[in-house]
Amino acid sequence: GAVVSQHPSRVICKSGTSVKIECRSLDFQATTMFWYRQFPKKSLMLMATSNEGSKATYEQGVEKDKFLINHASLTLSTLTVTSAHPEDSSFYICSATTGAGDNTGELFFGEGSRLTVL
Amino acid sequence: GQNIDQPTEMTATEGAIVQINCTYQTSGFNGLFWYQQHAGEAPTFLSYNVLDGLEEKGRFSSFLSRSKGYSYLLLKELQMKDSASYLCAVRDKAAGNKLTFGGGTRVLVKP
Repeated sequence: GAVVSQHPSRVICKSGTSVKIECRSLDFQATTMFWYRQFPKKSLMLMATSNEGSKATYEQGVEKDKFLINHASLTLSTLTVTSAHPEDSSFYICSATTGAGDNTGELFFGEGSRLTVL
Repeated sequence: GQNIDQPTEMTATEGAIVQINCTYQTSGFNGLFWYQQHAGEAPTFLSYNVLDGLEEKGRFSSFLSRSKGYSYLLLKELQMKDSASYLCAVRDKAAGNKLTFGGGTRVLVKP
């Protein structure tokens, strides 16, 4: 299957700093990538849909200025958590689909990034 | 919006069969997915249903009834490594074909 790589896998930062997480599709072009957040023992919550070359579409309740998403190329999307606070500590997962017209449109997930804000 | 319900936890014995049910409500159903997620890891794809019926893949099978808004994932010949969370996800045309996930079912396989 298609490979999505996410980096870093773990990051610890001080409160007030910004953290950038990268998501790359390694063997396919992803016009659309999705960013999810997952709390312990909870399911995935969609934060935003990242579209190459245009602004991301955020889900209701997700702060655009807090979670900056950039999708500058067909293989890279980034999520920047700005002025991080302890409540931002979570597992962030990106995913991509190989194309909107796919047979299944199955999502391929990155490895996830565990953010801990001290 | 969508409403996806699945049990929170299930326990089963090694070698047995477990069935995880998922019910959903959506206005533009366009496929249902099952994912497996081990603790601290990203989800991995298990199955996809868009038409009614049973899809079988080795020890795992998934069933869909669109009229009932219902699916189940069947795990046969359970192995200890099957202990994980199983996520039901629905794709909705009315929501731009985004996937919305249910709360996940934690399955614990005991010896």
